[in-house]
Amino acid sequence: DAGITQSPRYKITETGRQVTLMCHQTWSHSYMFWYRQDLGHGLRLIYYSAAADITDKGEVPDGYVVSRSKTENFPLTLESATRSQTSVYFCASSEQGLFGNTIYFGEGSWLTVV
Amino acid sequence: SQQGEEDPQALSIQEGENATMNCSYKTSINNLQWYRQNSGRGLVHLILIRSNEREKHSGRLRVTLDTSKKSSSLLITASRAADTASYFCAPIIQGAQKLVFGQGTRLTINP
Repeated sequence: DAGITQSPRYKITETGRQVTLMCHQTWSHSYMFWYRQDLGHGLRLIYYSAAADITDKGEVPDGYVVSRSKTENFPLTLESATRSQTSVYFCASSEQGLFGNTIYFGEGSWLTVV
Repeated sequence: SQQGEEDPQALSIQEGENATMNCSYKTSINNLQWYRQNSGRGLVHLILIRSNEREKHSGRLRVTLDTSKKSSSLLITASRAADTASYFCAPIIQGAQKLVFGQGTRLTINP
């Protein structure tokens, strides 16, 4: 039971480069989420998806792109990385939305933009 | 805003003592969830309490909910060093499709 996995776990990239963080879940959960966590800001929602091919913006979507061609995958792309995108990124999933359902989080992807 | 606000921001107690964390929110909710985050790890679900429940227990955890005051509390009894973590509440409003978190309470259990 692999659950929800993120890759890479650690990444250092240069400003201006494109970076993709992968998220894969084995439960066929409908909902998937991407959060970033920074000191002083807590967890902030970047994008979420209610089902394959359905995505929506969260609190801080600028500079990020997501796709959901398959239910189990929800990649997050930084089109042109900036230093302000240095953060820890968490992917999460939920079976049928939030009402009465647990959100399962991945272990995080540490991204440093230099 | 549908996020919860945890209080205090940081709490340091001795092992064996009880720890109480509070959560306040602004809108009517369907349920409220509490999560724990150990340093360097993802969040882990602890407990869910529905809007028609006033108290819920899970092992050493006790959660209360007062919808009239729009507040919840998480009590950890007989704390252990392994309870050192950040704790987040997540109020869920009807129809919500996204989960918004506050900054959490950082709990430190001193041996």
